[in-house]
Amino acid sequence: EAQVTQNPRYLITVTGKKLTVTCSQNMNHEYMSWYRQDPGLGLRQIYYSMNVEVTDKGDVPEGYKVSRKEKRNFPLILESPSPNQTSLYFCASSFTGDTQYFGPGTRLTVL
Amino acid sequence: AQTVTQSQPEMSVQEAETVTLSCTYDTSESDYYLFWYKQPPSRQMILVIRQEAYKQQNATENRFSVNFQKAAKSFSLKISDSQLGDAAMYFCAYRSLMDSNYQLIWGAGTKLIIKP
Repeated sequence: EAQVTQNPRYLITVTGKKLTVTCSQNMNHEYMSWYRQDPGLGLRQIYYSMNVEVTDKGDVPEGYKVSRKEKRNFPLILESPSPNQTSLYFCASSFTGDTQYFGPGTRLTVL
Repeated sequence: AQTVTQSQPEMSVQEAETVTLSCTYDTSESDYYLFWYKQPPSRQMILVIRQEAYKQQNATENRFSVNFQKAAKSFSLKISDSQLGDAAMYFCAYRSLMDSNYQLIWGAGTKLIIKP
């Protein structure tokens, strides 16, 4: 089944404790992206990747890192999480950029 | 910068009836994509329908259709024969063909309630 997977689905952590949210797609898509969703704000792009080893900042990259060492994986790294990073996170992928397919979301709470 | 506006925070409709969700956008570009995504309580973001700006014909997917008015920069979603499973947040999104980052610009969403 073609899909985008994210892990974990739920995470509660404390301020300053490094964490990684994994994202994997099995559709051989070149493009991958991370978004965060906050009430009343829709989705905002954090980082994106056009291909392996090619990543760039979206609208809200502060406090986040990403890597793209292989085509299928695009992990999101929070080196020192803070409470304002409490949010719902989505990974998405696309072959040509016209239609993006989303993962199931990761609910992150930073205490 | 492009913006997307959904002016209806919440809409309700009787099961089996038709409802239209509104979306307007602001852009100076002529080529772009528009999308409607559905987010049910499971939080999964599901593509409902896609419209290419260069196509005059309105996109249709089963019970879902759009009314794309390019000059008015309007992109409404019509849901016919509403079903309980249609209850969700609906987001309108815009994608420029000029931006190399493929970024989607999102509206704030409309919560659709289906009354049995």
